[in-house]
Amino acid sequence: AQKVTQAQTEISVVEKEDVTLDCVYETRDTTYYLFWYKQPPSGELVFLIRRNSFDEQNEISGRYSWNFQKSTSSFNFTITASQVVDSAVYFCALNRAGANNLFFGTGTRLTVIP
Amino acid sequence: EAGVTQFPSHSVIEKGQTVTLRCDPISGHDNLYWYRRVMGKEIKFLLHFVKESKQDESGMPNNRFLAERTGGTYSTLKVQPAELEDSGVYFCASSQDPRDRTRSGANVLTFGAGSRLTVL
Repeated sequence: AQKVTQAQTEISVVEKEDVTLDCVYETRDTTYYLFWYKQPPSGELVFLIRRNSFDEQNEISGRYSWNFQKSTSSFNFTITASQVVDSAVYFCALNRAGANNLFFGTGTRLTVIP
Repeated sequence: EAGVTQFPSHSVIEKGQTVTLRCDPISGHDNLYWYRRVMGKEIKFLLHFVKESKQDESGMPNNRFLAERTGGTYSTLKVQPAELEDSGVYFCASSQDPRDRTRSGANVLTFGAGSRLTVL
């Protein structure tokens, strides 16, 4: 069975602080994909990153970085120097290779206070 | 390029009534998905269309839910009769890559803003 856990329901930080959103997943598959999506106040889910299970390299994109560790089944997301525009709900998701559907976590609501 | 469009953005109905949600995917996207988020919980898969065919409907809760995609373009999701537990946000998503066993599972889905359904 597949499961994604985002233990942090809500996080508040002051602008310019760094923040890490945790994601822990469970799967018995050896090939799978991990995703992060952002849901701003407008409602749509915006794709941020996709990582396959064979690529454990960390990734950095501007102020965003992702730390994938298979040993701990985690795919954490860090925002450096947070900004008010980062305020949103962030979802981590898992997709089995060969399957149609994404398994999502319950989301983490991030509020960046000016 | 227009994104995934969903209508209505919010619907409030009484228990027992019928509601139809509509999704217009990105033009040319063969794959169309419906997901649902009940308040505070995870977003859950409902079903997947490839063009007009249902590829996977394993997530549909029960037979009160009917999804269609006539002509392989827009899709509708009808709930009849609606129950209180159907309240939530219904997301539609589409993707371009054709269903290909060598690449399955790697699709990046583009989501709409969701249709919020409130059943009173």
